[in-house]
Amino acid sequence: AQTVTQSQPEMSVQEAETVTLSCTYDTSESDYYLFWYKQPPSRQMILVIRQEAYKQQNATENRFSVNFQKAAKSFSLKISDSQLGDAAMYFCAYRYQGGSEKLVFGKGTKLTVNP
Amino acid sequence: NAGVTQTPKFQVLKTGQSMTLQCAQDMNHNSMYWYRQDPGMGLRLIYYSASEGTTDKGEVPNGYNVSRLNKREFSLRLESAAPSQTSVYFCASSRDYRQGTDTQYFGPGTRLTVL
Repeated sequence: AQTVTQSQPEMSVQEAETVTLSCTYDTSESDYYLFWYKQPPSRQMILVIRQEAYKQQNATENRFSVNFQKAAKSFSLKISDSQLGDAAMYFCAYRYQGGSEKLVFGKGTKLTVNP
Repeated sequence: NAGVTQTPKFQVLKTGQSMTLQCAQDMNHNSMYWYRQDPGMGLRLIYYSASEGTTDKGEVPNGYNVSRLNKREFSLRLESAAPSQTSVYFCASSRDYRQGTDTQYFGPGTRLTVL
């Protein structure tokens, strides 16, 4: 069974600085997708970024980028120029590319942004 | 577009009471999902519906039933609520889970407390 591990329950960053959130996963599949979701205090789950495992190039979305290391099964999220609005829970998730109903989530990392 | 909407936002039940959580999406998505989120945990899949007219069990289906009323709406029913069902419930939708590029979009959640 696939598992997703986020080893940092909490992280903090100063406004305008850069922070990296860690995620590792375990799977025997070679084709899959990885996601980072943001959950602010409003509880809404918001898709931040997506990475296809077959792509070597790391995905980027504005201030958000990932470091995808397929061999190491690592998928970290880098937030540059952190803003107060980035404060939230961040969840890493895995989905098998072959067509799967299930997103497998990590337990989340709570990010605090200090002014 | 409202995206994925859920009602109610909050609910308190007594043990043994029943209730239905409602979910609707306006993105013309085929697939819909119900997850629960417990403290310190990622989301876990309860039931999903690949397309209108079909429903299937996810990881934690016991104590729940679902109905895919039409393409837009997917409801979750608790027939006899138990304190172990105290959780935050999220509905999600996606274009079609059988497609490798599929991405799930989430509603704002319902916080349910069972006394």
